[in-house]
Amino acid sequence: EAGVVQSPRYKIIEKKQPVAFWCNPISGHNTLYWYRQNLGQGPELLIRYENEEAVDDSQLPKDRFSAERLKGVDSTLKIQPAELGDSAVYLCASSPANNEQFFGPGTRLTVL
Amino acid sequence: KNQVEQSPQSLIILEGKNCTLQCNYTVSPFSNLRWYKQDTGRGPVSLTIMTFSENTKSNGRYTATLDADTKQSSLHITASQLSDSASYICVVSGRTGGFKTIFGAGTRLFVKA
Repeated sequence: EAGVVQSPRYKIIEKKQPVAFWCNPISGHNTLYWYRQNLGQGPELLIRYENEEAVDDSQLPKDRFSAERLKGVDSTLKIQPAELGDSAVYLCASSPANNEQFFGPGTRLTVL
Repeated sequence: KNQVEQSPQSLIILEGKNCTLQCNYTVSPFSNLRWYKQDTGRGPVSLTIMTFSENTKSNGRYTATLDADTKQSSLHITASQLSDSASYICVVSGRTGGFKTIFGAGTRLFVKA
């Protein structure tokens, strides 16, 4: 069984530029999560989806971050415009019905 | 206030030695506690999951314990190997203001030859 797929694995951009991350969860997993992980820290939840509905986006900086999960499968996370402080690893995870989460490898974003 | 505290922040041990990592939490009411291993450049991978009624769970050389009364958990690694070098993250789920999953900051373990 394929795991959670994320792309790109690495992204380097200049500040004020837009960037987008893509996630394909494990087949059949209704719940999808986007996390941000800073160096030496645990993941911090940005948004959680149940199917196509965002049920927890309280930690998503909505002035510059947006996410979508069309058709309740793949998801994209976008930052526009990016700031220096956005440099981090962005992790996507999926789970069956709010249970154990399976993580993708993450996208390492560097904002110059 | 951080609801999941892990200690130590980092740890260096020699290959073959045992070690114990600690996790204290304040998440209440408690649903379950998981330990994840995160290799550098990879996403976290689940090692153990424990519910309120379980006080120990093993996965190979990894043994997790849980004391729900004192809200403490530990992860014991036996006969460490170089491949155990990673971050170990304690994750607690509970119903505090809705169902929440809180991640600790992790313990960075270095196993040296």
